[in-house]
Amino acid sequence: GAVVSQHPSWVICKSGTSVKIECRSLDFQATTMFWYRQFPKQSLMLMATSNEGSKATYEQGVEKDKFLINHASLTLSTLTVTSAHPEDSSFYICSGRSSGNTIYFGEGSWLTVV
Amino acid sequence: QKEVEQDPGPLSVPEGAIVSLNCTYSNSAFQYFMWYRQYSRKGPELLMYTYSSGNKEDGRFTAQVDKSSKYISLFIRDSQPSDSATYLCAMSASNSGYALNFGKGTSLLVTP
Repeated sequence: GAVVSQHPSWVICKSGTSVKIECRSLDFQATTMFWYRQFPKQSLMLMATSNEGSKATYEQGVEKDKFLINHASLTLSTLTVTSAHPEDSSFYICSGRSSGNTIYFGEGSWLTVV
Repeated sequence: QKEVEQDPGPLSVPEGAIVSLNCTYSNSAFQYFMWYRQYSRKGPELLMYTYSSGNKEDGRFTAQVDKSSKYISLFIRDSQPSDSATYLCAMSASNSGYALNFGKGTSLLVTP
């Protein structure tokens, strides 16, 4: 299947700093990329949808000024968690939609804010 | 009511058993149906993808979609301990930007 690379896999940051997570589709062009957050033992919660070259659409309750999403090309989207706080600690997962409308996920990024 | 309902389990079966996983949904606009397998601390891995109704088979896995009943299933034949994971059903519609709506996931344990 198609491959989505997500980096970093693990990151620890101090409270108040910003962290950037990258998501790359390696063998397909992802017109749309999705960012999810998953808390332990819970399902994936959609944070935002981004289309290449457009502003991201955020789900209700997700602060767009805190979770900055950039989708500058058909193979790269980034999520920046700004002024991170311990409650932002979570598993963040990106996914890309292929031309066949199949969605492939990255391996996820574990964020711990201390 | 959540749009996608899935029994979280846990489901425990002996090795070699046939496993049946199911989801129901309420949004008749869903057209794309997927099953993902997620191991602990990993991203979801796509197992099966079905468009609209019908059956699809891939190795030991069979996916069924019954749009009239708003019911989808994943069958795993000859289950193996390595199949132990959480299985997530997901579905999407073109009129909502293809964003996936997930079930809660079913935790499966296959015992040797």
